[in-house]
Formats: sequence, C-alpha cells, structure tokens
Amino acid sequence: EAEVAQSPRYKITEKSQAVAFWCDPISGHATLYWYRQILGQGPELLVQFQDESVVDDSQLPKDRFSAERLKGVDSTLKIQPAELGDSAMYLCASSLGTDHEQYFGPGTRLTVT
Amino acid sequence: SQKIEQNSEALNIQEGKTATLTCNYTNYSPAYLQWYRQDPGRGPVFLLLIRENEKEKRKERLKVTFDTTLKQSLFHITASQPADSATYLCALGRSSNTGKLIFGQGTTLQVKP
Repeated sequence: EAEVAQSPRYKITEKSQAVAFWCDPISGHATLYWYRQILGQGPELLVQFQDESVVDDSQLPKDRFSAERLKGVDSTLKIQPAELGDSAMYLCASSLGTDHEQYFGPGTRLTVT
Repeated sequence: SQKIEQNSEALNIQEGKTATLTCNYTNYSPAYLQWYRQDPGRGPVFLLLIRENEKEKRKERLKVTFDTTLKQSLFHITASQPADSATYLCALGRSSNTGKLIFGQGTTLQVKP
C-alpha cells in the first residue's frame, strides 16, 4: 500500500538554527499539505500545494518558514531561524485533489532547545 | 471566528459497548466533514467523509451523522474493541479550489477489556 514518506522522523535543534523537513507524497497525488500539530491539539494547515503552486499559505509564518515543491512531486519545509515555540509535530499529507480524503505521513517531531 | 469543539475529556468505555464522539462547530458552513483516527506519535488516518446533503454514513462498525441545523456530527463505533483506543479527530471542509480542512482538537477514546 502506497504511503506518504517523511524524513527525518525526529529532529532536535537549537534555537536560531535552520532546520528542514522532507516529504514524498503518494504517487499521482497532485495536492500536498504541510501541517503543524501541537500536543493535545488538532493539525493546523501551514501550506497547501496544487502540483508545484502554492494555493494556501495564509497560516505560514513567512518571516521564518518557507516551503517548496519544485517539480510538483516531493516537497521541503524549512524553518530559519528556529524558535522555542516551533517545537511540534510537522505532518505532511497528500490527496488526489481537493474535497478528497488526505493521507498523512508519520510526521517529524521537532524539538527546539 | 470559526470554532470546532470536540470532547476535551477522554472517553472511557467497556469493550463491546458503543462509543459516541461529538463534533460541534460554530461560525462555519462546511460542505463536508471528515473523521480521522490518530495513534500516539503517528499521523492521522482517514476513516469517513460525509457531505452536507448526507445525513448518515456507515463503514463496517463505524457510523457518522451530520446535522447542519444543529451544526453537529456524531461518530459511533459499535462493538468497540481495545484496538479502537486512539484519538479521533473531526475536520471540516468547504468545496473550493483549496479544499482546506479545519481540524478539531480531538477526543481520546479508551476501550477497556
């Protein structure tokens, strides 16, 4: 069964450092999402791609976060510089299109010290 | 602002009983609602999708209802098993070119043998 791949699974970094997360969606899924999930809360959308285009980044802190999906396949989310409040689970998901179920990867647990 | 509320307290039930989880929302008019299951340290897994013109949807031991007048969805697991223990998230979406999902904070279900 096809799955969404993410790496790394865990990342510990010091504040003010740069960190990057990678996501490989299910083959054929045009829509890719990056979410942030704080413990005890539901996922919050950071950025959504349709192929290589950003369709929603309204909740992305653009002063420190960036995301790209250059060839419309895999994607990278970067934080620079990391802050203590960025400690969370970062989830990637993909879907065939909007209004479809989303398939989530295992997530990257980020700890900023 | 739009708000989604799920039972913040954990739901504890005995094996074999029916678990009922609630999702209430305000200041929002979703076109569809989705339910996901999330195990600790893992990404959410899609369970069911119900649209605004559907009152009920079933899948094996799962049943979801959607009342747009009450602004509420109920999620039922019949003949519950200890393996059903997890956090269950509801998510609301609008039909649009983004299909953005808004997630609730989740309800933790504990099924005791």
